[in-house]
Amino acid sequence: NAGVTQTPKFQVLKTGQSMTLQCAQDMNHNSMYWYRQDPGMGLRLIYYSASEGTTDKGEVPNGYNVSRLNKREFSLRLESAAPSQTSVYFCASRATPYYGYTFGSGTRLTVV
Amino acid sequence: AQRVTQPEKLLSVFKGAPVELKCNYSYSGSPELFWYVQYSRQRLQLLLRHISRESIKGFTADLNKGETSFHLKKPFAQEEDSAMYYCALSGQIGETSGSRLTFGEGTQLTVNP
Repeated sequence: NAGVTQTPKFQVLKTGQSMTLQCAQDMNHNSMYWYRQDPGMGLRLIYYSASEGTTDKGEVPNGYNVSRLNKREFSLRLESAAPSQTSVYFCASRATPYYGYTFGSGTRLTVV
Repeated sequence: AQRVTQPEKLLSVFKGAPVELKCNYSYSGSPELFWYVQYSRQRLQLLLRHISRESIKGFTADLNKGETSFHLKKPFAQEEDSAMYYCALSGQIGETSGSRLTFGEGTQLTVNP
């Protein structure tokens, strides 16, 4: 039972490069989320998808785009990476609002 | 708007001592509250949901709507409890905000031998 799988685990980008972070869950959850984690700032929501076919902005969406490819997969794209996007990115999913999230293991991204 | 505040960024106690991690929230309706734990460089794991009123690893948390608090407590801390703890809030079902969690900034707990 894999839960939430994120790839890659680590990535170094140069300023201006683009990349896509992948996330897949095998729990048939409806909702999926992308957060970034920065020291002293907790987790901040970037984008989320309440159900297949819908996506919405969170607190810090600038510089990112998302795609809910199907019920299982929710990808996060950085079109032109900036040093301010250096962070740890977590994907999460949840079945219903009564339950907590299941998190992936994170992607540690460094933009130089 | 929903907001979660964890006033202590760092908390240090000795093994066997009681520990309380504070969490205050701001939300106009009836929130769902959670505690998550993150051990060093690992994924976040759900520790407690207020709705289930359970005790995990000796930790408990009581929702106090009057004080808008959801403090996490353990009577006797262990060294393996050292971790980052996040309090999180979800709004009411049916609201747009109800499908997402808002996290506090986290409290780094260190339990010294």
